Amino acid sequence: QKEVEQNSGPLSVPEGAIASLNCTYSDRVSQSFFWYRQYSGKSPELIMSIYSNGDKEDGRFTAQLNKASQYVSLLIRDSQPSDSATYLCAINTDKLIFGTGTRLQVFP
Amino acid sequence: GAVVSQHPSWVICKSGTSVKIECRSLDFQATTMFWYRQFPKQSLMLMATSNEGSKATYEQGVEKDKFLINHASLTLSTLTVTSAHPEDSSFYICSASDREQFFGPGTRLTVL
Repeated sequence: QKEVEQNSGPLSVPEGAIASLNCTYSDRVSQSFFWYRQYSGKSPELIMSIYSNGDKEDGRFTAQLNKASQYVSLLIRDSQPSDSATYLCAINTDKLIFGTGTRLQVFP
Repeated sequence: GAVVSQHPSWVICKSGTSVKIECRSLDFQATTMFWYRQFPKQSLMLMATSNEGSKATYEQGVEKDKFLINHASLTLSTLTVTSAHPEDSSFYICSASDREQFFGPGTRLTVL
């Protein structure tokens, strides 16, 4: 079992809709969780970090963490075509462990 | 977030030559920096953890004599790809840790 698992997608949503990205992890010790956005040919950009159970909102983004279920998600409200990218989930042990990413496509 | 720079942004070299890539944290001091490699349509692969003032820690399967890492100061780490070959062509990305990891813009290496 991979340490961080994500559906590779692509996840296609219409402009204005909510995009829901999911991630599961196997390391129960992890305390820090991150979502990165990576445009094609570019390096990852940190968009959300979450450390405790529950929801954390930042603008159109909401991260949700459930440590009991070992599950972290990212919701993007009012999706825009500019949100089209690969979203990487990462957990922090002594180093960042990345999932393979979910490709999101937002169509006009 | 914190700013991390990389230089050069791209490089083309002949097989057998060495290439040095610099990674700088511009607005914070980073005792730890990380070097990743990413092949097309694949996820990031951690190569090594660079610690200021000490030897780097390499991930399994990464040749430390081929990928030389130096972390001479709290704001600068360098990765030297020695005797580069076409199979070393990839996107090399560094990151610096300030509780959260921030990535540099990456260096695209093409070895002819």
